[in-house]
Amino acid sequence: EPEVTQTPSHQVTQMGQEVILRCVPISNHLYFYWYRQILGQKVEFLVSFYNNEISEKSEIFDDQFSVERPDGSNFTLKIRSTKLEDSAMYFCASSPDRVGETQYFGPGTRLLVL
Amino acid sequence: EDKVVQSPLSLVVHEGDTVTLNCSYEVTNFRSLLWYKQEKKAPTFLFMLTSSGIEKKSGRLSSILDKKELFSILNITATQTGDSAVYLCAVAYGGATNKLIFGTGTLLAVQP
Repeated sequence: EPEVTQTPSHQVTQMGQEVILRCVPISNHLYFYWYRQILGQKVEFLVSFYNNEISEKSEIFDDQFSVERPDGSNFTLKIRSTKLEDSAMYFCASSPDRVGETQYFGPGTRLLVL
Repeated sequence: EDKVVQSPLSLVVHEGDTVTLNCSYEVTNFRSLLWYKQEKKAPTFLFMLTSSGIEKKSGRLSSILDKKELFSILNITATQTGDSAVYLCAVAYGGATNKLIFGTGTLLAVQP
């Protein structure tokens, strides 16, 4: 069964460093999402992406964040200058279509900023 | 403010018990309500509900949506230790895409 994959599974970085989190969505899906879950808190929406551009973004998704689909398979989240409070589990999700379709989640990347 | 509230926050039961997990919501431009099971990492899809009163079933799990009262329940019958997980309720709503707003989850622990 097709699934969303994410790499790396864990990343430890120093404050101020740039990180790139990678995702390979399910191949025939058209909508891509990033969510994050700070330890012990809710899963929070960051950004949605369709047709090579951002469709929506939350207040969390400030200028430090960017997303890209550099080729036909990968979908990346870049954090330009990490802060301690960026430590979280980052989930990528994809769905076949916008209206009423299920989002399927990847296994997540655990980011720890020291 | 859009929100999704789940109850109880946690639940401890014995194998064979039946449990009911609750999810209420207040969102603008509701599209669908989804239930996920989160064990160690990724939320795993269980159900998507869009219409009131139509029960969805998968094995021992079932779920129903009430769009008038703005809530959903997830039932698990004859619980097993493998059902131990956090159960997340999420609502797809508003805007240009189906962004999800999640509840805090219900932590279910099934003891042998």
